[in-house]
This record gives sequence, structure tokens and C-alpha cells, in this order.
Amino acid sequence: DAGVTQSPTHLIKTRGQQVTLRCSPISGHKSVSWYQQVLGQGPQFIFQYYEKEERGRGNFPDRFSARQFPNYSSELNVNALLLGDSALYLCASSFLGRIATNEKLFFGSGTQLSVL
Amino acid sequence: GDSVTQMEGPVTLSEEACLTINCTYTATGYPSLFWYVQYPGEGLQLLLKATKADDKGSNKGFEATYRKETTSFHLEKGSVQVSDSAVYFCALASQGAQKLVFGQGTRLTINP
Repeated sequence: DAGVTQSPTHLIKTRGQQVTLRCSPISGHKSVSWYQQVLGQGPQFIFQYYEKEERGRGNFPDRFSARQFPNYSSELNVNALLLGDSALYLCASSFLGRIATNEKLFFGSGTQLSVL
Repeated sequence: GDSVTQMEGPVTLSEEACLTINCTYTATGYPSLFWYVQYPGEGLQLLLKATKADDKGSNKGFEATYRKETTSFHLEKGSVQVSDSAVYFCALASQGAQKLVFGQGTRLTINP
């Protein structure tokens, strides 16, 4: 079975540009979350989506947006890129998104974004 | 708000040594606690978890006990292997929350 897949694996952009990152969850999973991992730090929560609805949002500016499609895949968009947006962006999926219970969260390998 | 503090790395050990990575947390109520591992070039993988006080999570020889009185969830292994070299993250999820809150990670290197 395929795990969580993310594309592209690496991306280089310049300041001020816009970027779209893509995520396909594990088959049957209806919830997708996005995390930002800056080098040397732990992942920071950006968004959670369930059944195409935003369920949670972290402390990120409005330049960050996301959506979930009917097939449960998801896109993360970042506008007006800043140097500080350089990070590994991780997507995670689960069946219902109830991560405090016995439901397991599965992570993709991430998209490494470099902003020059 | 919720937070997780891990011992700073990097940690370097010889094969078959004992390992302890300290983790303490701040949260309201009774969060679920997790250890995730990140191997080079890969995403995070759940190593173990505990959902209530005094629970012990275990997997692949690693153990961690949920200590409510000390707000801790230290990761331990009695005999480490070279293949355990990775970055380890402690994390929590408060009841009803949609997110994991991670510590800063501890890089572990095991030398043969």
C-alpha cells in the first residue's frame, strides 16, 4: 500500500514568489494535516483538514492557505515567499484526524522548500 | 499554551550503550504523549505513545512512561544499535486538539 505521498520533493523559489505543495493521503484516510519543519527545530502545525473542511489552523500568517479536494488530497499554498519560509513541509494523514486518541498519524517524506 | 522540552543534542553513544532522552511537557488536562523518529531523508514515524498517566509505551526495544507528577515522558533503551541513529521528537496532543506539539528534536548518533 502506498504511504502519504508529497510532491515535489525539492523546490527552489525566490522571495516574493508563490508556491503550491501537494499531498496525497493514504487510501481511506479523510484527514490531512500540514506541518512546517525549520532546520534544527521540531515540526510546527499549520493546518488540519477533514472532509474538505478546515478543522484547525496554527499560528501562521494569511500568506499560508490550504484546501482539500473530494478525493481527500490536499494542497498547501504560500504567497509572497520570505527567506524564513525555507523549511521542510510535511503532510500527514489519518482516518478521522483524532490524533489524541488511538488513531495513528502517518507522515510523508516532505517537500524541501528553499527560498533565495 | 502547550509546549514540549527535550534534552538538547546531539547525543553520541557507542553501540550497546544505554540511552535516555529526556522530555518534559506543559499542558492543561491530560494530553496524549508520543515519541516520533525521523531517519535521514524520511518523514516522521511514530515510535511509541501513551494516552494516560502511568501508561508505558514500547516499541523496538524503546520504552517511555507517562509520568503525570513530573510531567515527563523520557525515552529509554537498554542497548542501542547503529541503526537507531536518527532524530527523535517528543510530542503531545491535548484532548480534542487537531494538532501535535513537538519538541525541538534530539539527534542521536550511534558509533560501532
